[in-house]
Amino acid sequence: GAVVSQHPSRVICKSGTSVKIECRSLDFQATTMFWYRQFPKKSLMLMATSNEGSKATYEQGVEKDKFLINHASLTLSTLTVTSAHPEDSSFYICSARKGLAGSGYPQRAYNEQFFGPGTRLTVL
Amino acid sequence: AQSVTQLGSHVSVSEGALVLLRCNYSSSVPPYLFWYVQYPNQGLQLLLKYTSAATLVKGINGFEAEFKKSETSFHLTKPSAHMSDAAEYFCAVSTTGGFKTIFGAGTRLFVKA
Repeated sequence: GAVVSQHPSRVICKSGTSVKIECRSLDFQATTMFWYRQFPKKSLMLMATSNEGSKATYEQGVEKDKFLINHASLTLSTLTVTSAHPEDSSFYICSARKGLAGSGYPQRAYNEQFFGPGTRLTVL
Repeated sequence: AQSVTQLGSHVSVSEGALVLLRCNYSSSVPPYLFWYVQYPNQGLQLLLKYTSAATLVKGINGFEAEFKKSETSFHLTKPSAHMSDAAEYFCAVSTTGGFKTIFGAGTRLFVKA
């Protein structure tokens, strides 16, 4: 299988505090993980691409100092929302890309993403 | 550049009726196409994917989709809707060379008893 977990599933915090969300690939290695944000009844907005061992690539309009991403290992990426405010309240979803180019994984598998269950962040 | 357009933000069908969710894509290179389902407060589950093999793709839960290059479409169908199919459905496009997956706006499927 290809399972991605997120922790916590739900978090409520006070305005001004920082919150860390973990994304783990449980049974495969993922050199690339993605962080999405989903507003109520909206589609997923890609925030950043997290590459193991290097800096994340942020999408236009996403504040890199606000949303800190660390991808320290092949199975873990973290998103830290710093100095959270009510407008940061949202559903955050991560995904992990399975396989590496040239690693023996089929090309079709290389492009597939596996999604975590999401983290509901509420900032009071 | 790639993009995905899902026609209809809401679709309502009766239980047992045909489900048709429309998706059109734009891509300058041969695309990979996906349909995902999302239940409330949950992540995304892959229903099916097109990866340049058969144009008619069968997925889980009785869903299937047909890739039509001439129409740049990848519509999702299911012959008979079930109450448990009520959810949000997202069409997505990606390429082999790129790392990004672009999602459509989503279509909420309602199933009436």
